[in-house]
Amino acid sequence: GAVVSQHPSWVICKSGTSVKIECRSLDFQATTMFWYRQFPKQSLMLMATSNEGSKATYEQGVEKDKFLINHASLTLSTLTVTSAHPEDSSFYICSARRNWREGETQYFGPGTRLLVL
Amino acid sequence: AQRVTQPEKLLSVFKGAPVELKCNYSYSGSPELFWYVQYSRQRLQLLLRHISRESIKGFTADLNKGETSFHLKKPFAQEEDSAMYYCALIYGNKLVFGAGTILRVKS
Repeated sequence: GAVVSQHPSWVICKSGTSVKIECRSLDFQATTMFWYRQFPKQSLMLMATSNEGSKATYEQGVEKDKFLINHASLTLSTLTVTSAHPEDSSFYICSARRNWREGETQYFGPGTRLLVL
Repeated sequence: AQRVTQPEKLLSVFKGAPVELKCNYSYSGSPELFWYVQYSRQRLQLLLRHISRESIKGFTADLNKGETSFHLKKPFAQEEDSAMYYCALIYGNKLVFGAGTILRVKS
């Protein structure tokens, strides 16, 4: 089956620093990747849609200068949380869309837990 | 506007009992609906999608356009079914999730 990996799985950083999270589709090419944020015991909130070779599309209320997304290749998208603050602490999940025999399917990464001190 | 509604935050049943996780949606066209499951400390994974009409791990879900529902059912719950379940809808080329329902199967 299709596998999506994320690195790192968890990160602790100081307030004001930047953190980069990588999302890779390991055995398929993903023209579209998605970044979600999940708070404890809550649903996944879509932050942005990342298309290979073009600018990401951000959801309403998500600061594009705060959450920089780069989709440099068909297998890699990165999310950089710039000048992180404690309120950015969360669980960040990426997913990659793959064309499948009966339509498109999204596969999810294991998530990255970010703690900003 | 809320696109996907899962009214129950928590559903607790005994092993062997039937399970129904409710999902209602709001969509004007022909919806494409999914159920995703997240087991403890594991990633989100696709359980089933309505267009494939398949049964996975004994779970089924039928799209009812009249009631705009896509409830997830299983006749006999097992302890390993305990997890968080999300109903999701493709809206504008994006996957929109409901709030999720925690299913706890007690022995």
